[in-house]
Amino acid sequence: EVQLVESGGGLVQPGGSQRLSCAASGFTFSSYEMNWVRQAPGKGLEWVSYISSSGSTVYYADSVKGRFTISRDNAKNSLYLQMNSLRAEDTAVYFCARTLLLDYWGQGTLVTVSS
Amino acid sequence: EIVLTQSPDFQSVTPKEKVTITCRASQTIGSSLHWYQQKPDQSPKLLIKYASQSISGVPSRFSGSGSGTDFTLTINSLEAEDAAAYYCHQSSSFPLTFGGGTKVEIK
Repeated sequence: EVQLVESGGGLVQPGGSQRLSCAASGFTFSSYEMNWVRQAPGKGLEWVSYISSSGSTVYYADSVKGRFTISRDNAKNSLYLQMNSLRAEDTAVYFCARTLLLDYWGQGTLVTVSS
Repeated sequence: EIVLTQSPDFQSVTPKEKVTITCRASQTIGSSLHWYQQKPDQSPKLLIKYASQSISGVPSRFSGSGSGTDFTLTINSLEAEDAAAYYCHQSSSFPLTFGGGTKVEIK
């Protein structure tokens, strides 16, 4: 069974940093591209970042470019999102999702940016 | 950036009624359009891939159609458990984008 479990969310001050993790199981993680998608409270879905299966290719939404960094460790079956210079508008539930199809999603982790 | 425009934003429907949700892309995306269902406090679930391909385990009352710029999600004979938000998503090009969502309420 495919499982994606996010962690690392919490309350962070504006301008601060947070690192999210996504632990994958039930499939050959190293063979699949991955994404981060977020959802602000009461709002719709927003794609954040993509990473290829090898990690050699990454893409970002303009709203996070230069502040967020996506990475992965295929030996640990894990996906990461390093978030710096956080703003109030980054407050959201962050989901990791598999492939461009977004065929499997984790349960999400809430990041709240507030003083 | 490819903008996806979903309509309607909200629909209140009685059980067994048919629901039609549309998604229009700002430029042609072939069949790279997918549909998701999100129930309150849950993560989204893939319903339809590549415009019209069914997903294992998804009830047959859910179907999709379209190509190019105009796409439709149809729910035949709505059931109470179908109360949810529905989103379209395009994987044709980066940045990946979503439609604004359609909330379906059961009367």
